[in-house]
Amino acid sequence: NAGVTQTPKFQVLKTGQSMTLQCAQDMNHNSMYWYRQDPGMGLRLIYYSASEGTTDKGEVPNGYNVSRLNKREFSLRLESAAPSQTSVYFCASRDGEAFFGQGTRLTVV
Amino acid sequence: TQLLEQSPQFLSIQEGENLTVYCNSSSVFSSLQWYRQEPGEGPVLLVTVVTGGEVKKLKRLTFQFGDARKDSSLHITAAQPGDTGLYLCAGVLRNAGNMLTFGGGTRLMVKP
Repeated sequence: NAGVTQTPKFQVLKTGQSMTLQCAQDMNHNSMYWYRQDPGMGLRLIYYSASEGTTDKGEVPNGYNVSRLNKREFSLRLESAAPSQTSVYFCASRDGEAFFGQGTRLTVV
Repeated sequence: TQLLEQSPQFLSIQEGENLTVYCNSSSVFSSLQWYRQEPGEGPVLLVTVVTGGEVKKLKRLTFQFGDARKDSSLHITAAQPGDTGLYLCAGVLRNAGNMLTFGGGTRLMVKP
């Protein structure tokens, strides 16, 4: 059982570059989430999707876009990366308990 | 300002001591969860509390949900070095469907 799979695990971007973080879950969960975690801090919600075809803003959505491609996949896109977006990004899916991917460590230089 | 405020942010104690971590909000939650996170990993669920006043025990860990469902606490009895980690509370607001929001975390270090 893979659970929640995120790719890539590590990424370095130059300011202004774009990239998409991929997330897939195999637990048939309706709800999926993208969080960012800065060093020593808790998780801040970027966007979430309560079900296929719907997405909603979280606490820190500026600079990000998301796509709920189907029930399994929920991607996060940075259109023009900024150094303030340097962080660890976690995808999660949930049906009661939230299950998390291993995280993507993103550095924007 | 985060919906869920955790305190303390950092806690360093000796093995065998007791400790309590608090998670407070001015909002009402339909449920509240506690997670533990190890370095380089995603958070892992410890417990979910749903009913106001509910108390749940998990070995040496005791979790309580406030009567008004606005706050929660995590008490660890006789802490051990293996309890070291980042403890996070998370909640679903009563009228916010599936939005799962986290507190800022409490980083616990238990010294042998």
